[in-house]
Amino acid sequence: AQTVTQSQPEMSVQEAETVTLSCTYDTSENNYYLFWYKQPPSRQMILVIRQEAYKQQNATENRFSVNFQKAAKSFSLKISDSQLGDTAMYFCAFRASGTYKSIFGTGTRLKVLA
Amino acid sequence: DTGVSQDPRHKITKRGQNVTFRCDPISEHNRLYWYRQTLGQGPEFLTYFQNEAQLEKSRLLSDRFSAERPKGSFSTLEIQRTEQGDSAMYLCASSGGPGETQYFGPGTRLLVL
Repeated sequence: AQTVTQSQPEMSVQEAETVTLSCTYDTSENNYYLFWYKQPPSRQMILVIRQEAYKQQNATENRFSVNFQKAAKSFSLKISDSQLGDTAMYFCAFRASGTYKSIFGTGTRLKVLA
Repeated sequence: DTGVSQDPRHKITKRGQNVTFRCDPISEHNRLYWYRQTLGQGPEFLTYFQNEAQLEKSRLLSDRFSAERPKGSFSTLEIQRTEQGDSAMYLCASSGGPGETQYFGPGTRLLVL
């Protein structure tokens, strides 16, 4: 069975600084997708970034980038130039290729400080 | 806005009552998912539909839970004889097209007294 682990329950970062959120996963699959979702307080979850396991190049979306280490089964999220609006719960998720069920971690609560 | 919508947003009920939630997916999406999220946890998969067919159900989905998607558009999730342990946020998501990224609705927060 696949598992997703986020070992940092809470983190804080100063506005304009860079922060990295950690995620590890366990799977025997070779083809899969990894996701980071953001869930602001009392608001709906939105996709931040996704990574296909077959792609060696790390995904980047504006200030958000990932460090995908397939052999280590690690998928960290880097947020550059942090903004107050980045304050939210961040969830790492895994989905095996050919399936439609996503497995989520327990989340990291990120607070951006002014 | 053509995002995923859910109704109601909040529901308070007494133990033993039945409740029904509705989800309207993004119109062109043929897959629809239900997840449950308890406080301090990530979403847990409950079930998913491809068009009107329910293709996978989690063991979390007890006999008191039933989900339908009668015409392959909106879906309903019914909980019968609610228990306090059913208190949670119920999230709906939909997907379609390349990559099958799941887009989430705002959720229905259920409180069972």
